[in-house]
Amino acid sequence: SAVISQKPSRDICQRGTSLTIQCQVDSQVTMMFWYRQQPGQSLTLIATANQGSEATYESGFVIDKFPISRPNLTFSTLTVSNMSPEDSSIYLCSVDPSNTGELFFGEGSRLTVL
Amino acid sequence: AQSVTQLDSQVPVFEEAPVELRCNYSSSVSVYLFWYVQYPNQGLQLLLKYLSGSTLVESINGFEAEFNKSQTSFHLRKPSVHISDTAEYFCAVSLMNTGFQKLVFGTGTRLLVSP
Repeated sequence: SAVISQKPSRDICQRGTSLTIQCQVDSQVTMMFWYRQQPGQSLTLIATANQGSEATYESGFVIDKFPISRPNLTFSTLTVSNMSPEDSSIYLCSVDPSNTGELFFGEGSRLTVL
Repeated sequence: AQSVTQLDSQVPVFEEAPVELRCNYSSSVSVYLFWYVQYPNQGLQLLLKYLSGSTLVESINGFEAEFNKSQTSFHLRKPSVHISDTAEYFCAVSLMNTGFQKLVFGTGTRLLVSP
Protein backbone atom coordinates (compact mmCIF):
# COMPACT_ATOMS: atom_id res chain seq x y z
CA SER A 1 0.00 0.00 0.00
CA ALA A 2 0.97 3.65 -0.06
CA VAL A 3 0.00 6.77 1.82
CA ILE A 4 -0.03 9.92 -0.27
CA SER A 5 -0.14 13.45 1.08
CA GLN A 6 -1.05 16.36 -1.13
CA LYS A 7 -0.74 20.05 -0.41
CA PRO A 8 -2.65 22.28 -0.60
CA SER A 9 -5.92 20.44 -0.12
CA ARG A 10 -7.72 23.40 -1.62
CA ASP A 11 -7.00 26.90 -2.82
CA ILE A 12 -8.67 29.84 -4.48
CA CYS A 13 -6.52 31.62 -7.01
CA GLN A 14 -6.69 34.64 -9.28
CA ARG A 15 -6.65 34.39 -13.05
CA GLY A 16 -3.16 34.61 -14.50
CA THR A 17 -1.32 33.33 -11.45
CA SER A 18 0.37 29.94 -10.95
CA LEU A 19 0.02 27.37 -8.21
CA THR A 20 2.27 24.46 -7.29
CA ILE A 21 0.78 21.29 -5.85
CA GLN A 22 2.99 18.99 -3.84
CA CYS A 23 2.70 15.21 -3.57
CA GLN A 24 4.58 13.20 -0.95
CA VAL A 25 4.52 9.37 -0.85
CA ASP A 26 5.51 7.26 2.15
CA SER A 27 7.53 4.82 0.01
CA GLN A 28 9.83 4.98 -2.97
CA VAL A 29 8.07 4.59 -6.31
CA THR A 30 9.32 4.64 -9.86
CA MET A 31 6.40 6.43 -11.44
CA MET A 32 3.99 9.03 -10.10
CA PHE A 33 0.85 9.98 -11.97
CA TRP A 34 -1.01 13.27 -12.04
CA TYR A 35 -4.74 13.26 -12.80
CA ARG A 36 -7.31 16.02 -13.15
CA GLN A 37 -10.99 15.80 -12.31
CA GLN A 38 -12.99 18.67 -13.72
CA PRO A 39 -16.43 19.44 -12.27
CA GLY A 40 -18.93 16.78 -13.34
CA GLN A 41 -16.36 14.91 -15.42
CA SER A 42 -14.18 11.88 -15.09
CA LEU A 43 -10.55 11.76 -14.07
CA THR A 44 -8.09 12.45 -16.86
CA LEU A 45 -4.41 11.55 -16.80
CA ILE A 46 -2.24 14.65 -17.22
CA ALA A 47 1.24 13.15 -17.12
CA THR A 48 3.53 10.48 -15.73
CA ALA A 49 6.50 11.64 -13.69
CA ASN A 50 9.65 9.53 -13.52
CA GLN A 51 12.55 10.38 -11.28
CA GLY A 52 15.54 11.65 -13.22
CA SER A 53 13.77 12.29 -16.51
CA GLU A 54 11.21 14.63 -17.99
CA ALA A 55 7.59 13.88 -17.41
CA THR A 56 5.55 12.24 -20.15
CA TYR A 57 2.44 14.23 -21.00
CA GLU A 58 -0.83 12.91 -22.37
CA SER A 59 -2.53 14.34 -25.41
CA GLY A 60 -3.95 17.77 -24.68
CA PHE A 61 -1.51 18.60 -21.87
CA VAL A 62 1.78 20.46 -22.32
CA ILE A 63 4.80 21.11 -20.16
CA ASP A 64 4.51 24.90 -20.38
CA LYS A 65 1.06 24.78 -18.81
CA PHE A 66 1.68 21.94 -16.34
CA PRO A 67 5.38 21.77 -15.47
CA ILE A 68 6.22 18.80 -13.26
CA SER A 69 9.19 18.16 -11.04
CA ARG A 70 10.32 14.79 -9.69
CA PRO A 71 13.43 15.41 -7.59
CA ASN A 72 13.42 12.03 -5.81
CA LEU A 73 11.54 8.75 -5.53
CA THR A 74 9.01 9.96 -2.94
CA PHE A 75 8.10 13.47 -4.07
CA SER A 76 6.66 15.32 -7.05
CA THR A 77 5.15 18.70 -7.81
CA LEU A 78 2.67 19.82 -10.43
CA THR A 79 2.40 23.50 -11.30
CA VAL A 80 -0.68 24.91 -12.95
CA SER A 81 0.58 27.97 -14.82
CA ASN A 82 -1.17 31.12 -15.96
CA MET A 83 -4.44 29.88 -14.57
CA SER A 84 -7.87 30.55 -16.02
CA PRO A 85 -11.30 29.57 -14.65
CA GLU A 86 -11.20 26.50 -16.93
CA ASP A 87 -8.37 25.15 -14.74
CA SER A 88 -10.72 24.88 -11.77
CA SER A 89 -10.52 21.18 -10.95
CA ILE A 90 -9.40 18.63 -8.46
CA TYR A 91 -5.82 17.58 -9.12
CA LEU A 92 -4.80 14.13 -7.88
CA CYS A 93 -1.50 12.42 -7.44
CA SER A 94 -1.32 8.63 -7.63
CA VAL A 95 1.17 5.76 -7.49
CA ASP A 96 1.25 2.01 -8.09
CA PRO A 97 3.96 0.93 -5.64
CA SER A 98 3.72 -2.80 -6.36
CA ASN A 99 3.16 -2.50 -10.12
CA THR A 100 0.06 -4.66 -9.79
CA GLY A 101 -2.52 -2.30 -11.26
CA GLU A 102 -3.66 -1.00 -7.90
CA LEU A 103 -3.31 2.77 -7.97
CA PHE A 104 -3.26 4.64 -4.67
CA PHE A 105 -4.54 8.20 -4.79
CA GLY A 106 -3.99 11.25 -2.70
CA GLU A 107 -7.08 13.06 -1.45
CA GLY A 108 -6.65 15.67 -4.12
CA SER A 109 -6.09 19.40 -4.37
CA ARG A 110 -9.25 21.34 -5.13
CA LEU A 111 -8.38 24.42 -7.14
CA THR A 112 -10.79 27.26 -7.84
CA VAL A 113 -9.73 30.00 -10.24
CA LEU A 114 -11.63 33.27 -10.16
CA ALA B 1 -8.47 5.51 -28.27
CA GLN B 2 -10.25 3.71 -25.50
CA SER B 3 -13.25 5.12 -23.67
CA VAL B 4 -15.46 4.18 -20.74
CA THR B 5 -19.19 4.77 -20.42
CA GLN B 6 -21.09 4.74 -17.16
CA LEU B 7 -24.63 5.49 -18.24
CA ASP B 8 -26.05 5.99 -14.76
CA SER B 9 -24.86 9.12 -13.00
CA GLN B 10 -26.84 8.26 -9.89
CA VAL B 11 -28.44 5.06 -8.60
CA PRO B 12 -30.76 5.29 -5.58
CA VAL B 13 -31.51 2.01 -3.82
CA PHE B 14 -32.91 0.82 -0.52
CA GLU B 15 -30.78 -1.00 2.01
CA GLU B 16 -30.57 -4.78 1.48
CA ALA B 17 -31.72 -4.47 -2.13
CA PRO B 18 -29.51 -5.71 -5.00
CA VAL B 19 -27.71 -3.23 -7.22
CA GLU B 20 -25.93 -3.22 -10.56
CA LEU B 21 -23.74 -0.36 -11.73
CA ARG B 22 -23.15 -0.49 -15.44
CA CYS B 23 -19.86 0.00 -17.24
CA ASN B 24 -19.14 -0.37 -20.93
CA TYR B 25 -15.87 0.31 -22.66
CA SER B 26 -14.53 0.61 -26.17
CA SER B 27 -11.05 -0.36 -27.22
CA SER B 28 -9.36 -1.86 -30.25
CA VAL B 29 -6.87 -3.80 -28.10
CA SER B 30 -7.09 -5.94 -24.98
CA VAL B 31 -7.69 -4.10 -21.74
CA TYR B 32 -7.36 -4.29 -18.00
CA LEU B 33 -10.51 -3.30 -16.09
CA PHE B 34 -10.98 -1.66 -12.71
CA TRP B 35 -13.61 -0.37 -10.34
CA TYR B 36 -12.59 2.37 -7.93
CA VAL B 37 -14.72 3.72 -5.10
CA GLN B 38 -14.70 7.10 -3.41
CA TYR B 39 -16.46 7.26 -0.07
CA PRO B 40 -17.62 10.67 1.19
CA ASN B 41 -14.67 12.88 2.14
CA GLN B 42 -12.13 10.21 1.23
CA GLY B 43 -9.75 9.56 -1.65
CA LEU B 44 -10.22 7.06 -4.44
CA GLN B 45 -9.45 3.45 -3.62
CA LEU B 46 -9.41 0.27 -5.67
CA LEU B 47 -12.48 -1.93 -5.24
CA LEU B 48 -11.62 -4.72 -7.66
CA LYS B 49 -9.78 -5.40 -10.89
CA TYR B 50 -9.64 -7.76 -13.82
CA LEU B 51 -6.19 -8.37 -15.29
CA SER B 52 -6.49 -11.94 -16.58
CA GLY B 53 -7.91 -15.35 -15.69
CA SER B 54 -11.41 -15.79 -14.31
CA THR B 55 -13.80 -13.25 -15.74
CA LEU B 56 -15.65 -12.96 -12.44
CA VAL B 57 -13.80 -10.96 -9.81
CA GLU B 58 -14.85 -10.19 -6.27
CA SER B 59 -14.06 -7.61 -3.63
CA ILE B 60 -13.73 -8.19 0.10
CA ASN B 61 -16.95 -6.31 0.86
CA GLY B 62 -19.31 -8.36 -1.30
CA PHE B 63 -19.14 -6.59 -4.65
CA GLU B 64 -18.41 -8.55 -7.81
CA ALA B 65 -17.88 -7.68 -11.45
CA GLU B 66 -17.83 -9.82 -14.55
CA PHE B 67 -15.76 -9.11 -17.62
CA ASN B 68 -17.84 -9.75 -20.73
CA LYS B 69 -15.62 -9.40 -23.76
CA SER B 70 -18.37 -9.86 -26.35
CA GLN B 71 -20.47 -7.10 -24.79
CA THR B 72 -17.42 -5.01 -23.78
CA SER B 73 -18.86 -4.64 -20.31
CA PHE B 74 -17.65 -4.83 -16.73
CA HIS B 75 -20.77 -4.29 -14.64
CA LEU B 76 -20.50 -4.09 -10.86
CA ARG B 77 -23.05 -5.95 -8.73
CA LYS B 78 -23.90 -6.55 -5.12
CA PRO B 79 -26.79 -8.79 -4.00
CA SER B 80 -27.57 -6.78 -0.86
CA VAL B 81 -26.29 -3.26 -0.23
CA HIS B 82 -25.61 -1.51 3.06
CA ILE B 83 -25.89 2.13 4.01
CA SER B 84 -22.09 2.18 4.16
CA ASP B 85 -21.91 1.39 0.43
CA THR B 86 -23.04 4.94 -0.32
CA ALA B 87 -20.21 6.32 -2.43
CA GLU B 88 -19.19 7.24 -5.95
CA TYR B 89 -18.02 4.36 -8.10
CA PHE B 90 -15.69 4.79 -11.06
CA CYS B 91 -15.06 2.24 -13.77
CA ALA B 92 -11.68 2.46 -15.49
CA VAL B 93 -9.72 0.72 -18.24
CA SER B 94 -6.14 0.60 -19.32
CA LEU B 95 -4.57 -0.93 -22.38
CA MET B 96 -2.46 -4.04 -22.07
CA ASN B 97 0.13 -2.55 -24.40
CA THR B 98 0.63 0.64 -22.36
CA GLY B 99 0.55 -0.77 -18.86
CA PHE B 100 -2.12 -0.67 -16.21
CA GLN B 101 -1.27 2.65 -14.65
CA LYS B 102 -2.56 4.76 -17.53
CA LEU B 103 -6.20 4.60 -16.63
CA VAL B 104 -9.13 6.01 -18.57
CA PHE B 105 -12.02 6.63 -16.19
CA GLY B 106 -15.75 6.76 -16.65
CA THR B 107 -17.70 9.72 -15.31
CA GLY B 108 -18.72 7.85 -12.17
CA THR B 109 -21.96 6.56 -10.67
CA ARG B 110 -23.16 7.85 -7.34
CA LEU B 111 -24.75 5.03 -5.33
CA LEU B 112 -27.20 6.33 -2.75
CA VAL B 113 -28.37 3.72 -0.24
CA SER B 114 -31.27 4.70 1.99
CA PRO B 115 -32.88 2.85 4.90
